[in-house]
Amino acid sequence: GAGVSQSPSNKVTEKGKDVELRCDPISGHTALYWYRQRLGQGLEFLIYFQGNSAPDKSGLPSDRFSAERTGESVSTLTIQRTQQEDSAVYLCASRAGGNTEAFFGQGTRLTVV
Amino acid sequence: AQRVTQPEKLLSVFKGAPVELKCNYSYSGSPELFWYVQYSRQRLQLLLRHISRESIKGFTADLNKGETSFHLKKPFAQEEDSAMYYCALKGGAQKLVFGQGTRLTINP
Repeated sequence: GAGVSQSPSNKVTEKGKDVELRCDPISGHTALYWYRQRLGQGLEFLIYFQGNSAPDKSGLPSDRFSAERTGESVSTLTIQRTQQEDSAVYLCASRAGGNTEAFFGQGTRLTVV
Repeated sequence: AQRVTQPEKLLSVFKGAPVELKCNYSYSGSPELFWYVQYSRQRLQLLLRHISRESIKGFTADLNKGETSFHLKKPFAQEEDSAMYYCALKGGAQKLVFGQGTRLTINP
């Protein structure tokens, strides 16, 4: 498809386990964003990739969170030693750059039990 | 630092009434402002952006730099406008930050 794709759609994991969330951006989009949306809350900025520049990691809540992106392709968000407060919907968005709009994926709903 | 504030978490109006969703921002440079909308069981999507100065689905928003606001308005609300609305700001470094969102409910 032509949209932003995230996998898995849902993930249930045990407290203390590591999880990896995947985002496939729209082809050719240079910018990629990760956000966290807790139940009843707004979108919390996590990390931003722009082309080959160093990512803006200013929103990552702790060193248990990390993300990678190779070039302008797939990105993975990794959460190590998951905690119950990590339960949320994790959204990915990509943008072509300039003044273009950001397109969002459907999100990954993470539940830590 | 970039910051977006949406003071109302919930807003409820009757069909046909005017609606205004408030958004205030904090940014030292020249911002680009957006409104995104998320309808039930759909993805977050762009509603409008300030540089386009357009009206989408009857909604308009004017950037007021003096008051650092970008309120979303519609003169006559419709039931299909019920959704979650997010104000967003993109700064010079292309970082896109969102407000906490306002859940708009249009009552019949």
